[in-house]
Amino acid sequence: GAGVSQSPSNKVTEKGKDVELRCDPISGHTALYWYRQSLGQGLEFLIYFQGNSAPDKSGLPSDRFSAERTGGSVSTLTIQRTQQEDSAVYLCASSISGRAVAKNIQYFGAGTRLSVL
Amino acid sequence: QKEVEQNSGPLSVPEGAIASLNCTYSDRGSQSFFWYRQYSGKSPELIMSIYSNGDKEDGRFTAQLNKASQYVSLLIRDSQPSDSATYLCAVNVGSNYQLIWGAGTKLIIKP
Repeated sequence: GAGVSQSPSNKVTEKGKDVELRCDPISGHTALYWYRQSLGQGLEFLIYFQGNSAPDKSGLPSDRFSAERTGGSVSTLTIQRTQQEDSAVYLCASSISGRAVAKNIQYFGAGTRLSVL
Repeated sequence: QKEVEQNSGPLSVPEGAIASLNCTYSDRGSQSFFWYRQYSGKSPELIMSIYSNGDKEDGRFTAQLNKASQYVSLLIRDSQPSDSATYLCAVNVGSNYQLIWGAGTKLIIKP
């Protein structure tokens, strides 16, 4: 596609429910990143994919968070048993390659605003 | 721990003046430096990238990099109200893919 696409744009859920957030990167981009941004805060790195592999999951806050990427394209971030502190905007970004520093310009999707009641 | 520091602001600048935004970083091995603009409620968008010491100009924007002093700055000439946003500085960690992000500086351009 022309840009990074994320869905849904907004998600309201009840505490304890599972949610799935989707990211469709720019066509041809091999690297994909998930970030979390709480209101008024900076970007919190969650996980990085190079192709279908996730060399760095160090930012995932707990084992309730998981992510996968299939076909080197679409990625899904899953949050199990959501808690109120999970409320934030979840941003996905992609870049041509995560291996080449000069090609690591990251382009962002519009984000998914998650609200846990 | 690798860090990127920015003054949170808000930085208030009169319309038509030069806005100067600064960022310092801790990793001497960093090679790529980026400025992103984020409007309220929107996602970050790339403004400038810079990889070598010195200045890089693009329209009203100039990025300045000084690796010896470990700082990168963004100058916005002829500031417009539409430049009002939060500006995020991002720096790669050595040869790593990962970007370390500053918390951002909120810029307000007053008409």
